[in-house]
Amino acid sequence: DAKTTQPPSMDCAEGRAANLPCNHSTISGNEYVYWYRQIHSQGPQYIIHGLKNNETNEMASLIITEDRKSSTLILPHATLRDTAVYYCIVRGSNAGNMLTFGGGTRLMVKP
Amino acid sequence: GAVVSQHPSWVICKSGTSVKIECRSLDFQATTMFWYRQFPKQSLMLMATSNEGSKATYEQGVEKDKFLINHASLTLSTLTVTSAHPEDSSFYICSARSPTEAFFGQGTRLTVV
Repeated sequence: DAKTTQPPSMDCAEGRAANLPCNHSTISGNEYVYWYRQIHSQGPQYIIHGLKNNETNEMASLIITEDRKSSTLILPHATLRDTAVYYCIVRGSNAGNMLTFGGGTRLMVKP
Repeated sequence: GAVVSQHPSWVICKSGTSVKIECRSLDFQATTMFWYRQFPKQSLMLMATSNEGSKATYEQGVEKDKFLINHASLTLSTLTVTSAHPEDSSFYICSARSPTEAFFGQGTRLTVV
């Protein structure tokens, strides 16, 4: 699976949009971009995933560049409960593939 | 949505004893489950892949005789930390895959004293 690069930490004001970037320049054509987050002392929580098109669900939006070499996770109205480590992961569609976690981005939402 | 349940959420044990951690997929069948370990302020590191009905596959550097994995059914995998020592103290997390995505347990905080 392709390697990802994320900033180690970011701050965001409560109520504002949080935009978390991820670089995955070696992504291959059949690999998806997944986002998970981990709140302190809990297991990772699935947020969203996409292949080529932008995706939106009740938690977030995922914007993938046309060349697929980078993506941005958008939390439209960040709350204090969104403070967590956010992981961007690239993996193939094989159901047997495990998820390989990088360092992630520690998002701190401040009042 | 699909849920993975992990038990216990925390455990304290004496050095030299064994601890069993259970991971259950509650509303889907998982032929493959994964066990991760996470030390403070670090990312999750894959320990092993648990395969239903067959032997687990361990990552390099993970002792298979110390971390026993059993995946006896399509909804249950167990990780037993044998002869635990203080350096085994960590946050252990299991994951089960549905056809579309991976779900994670709540994690087990193991403290060996």
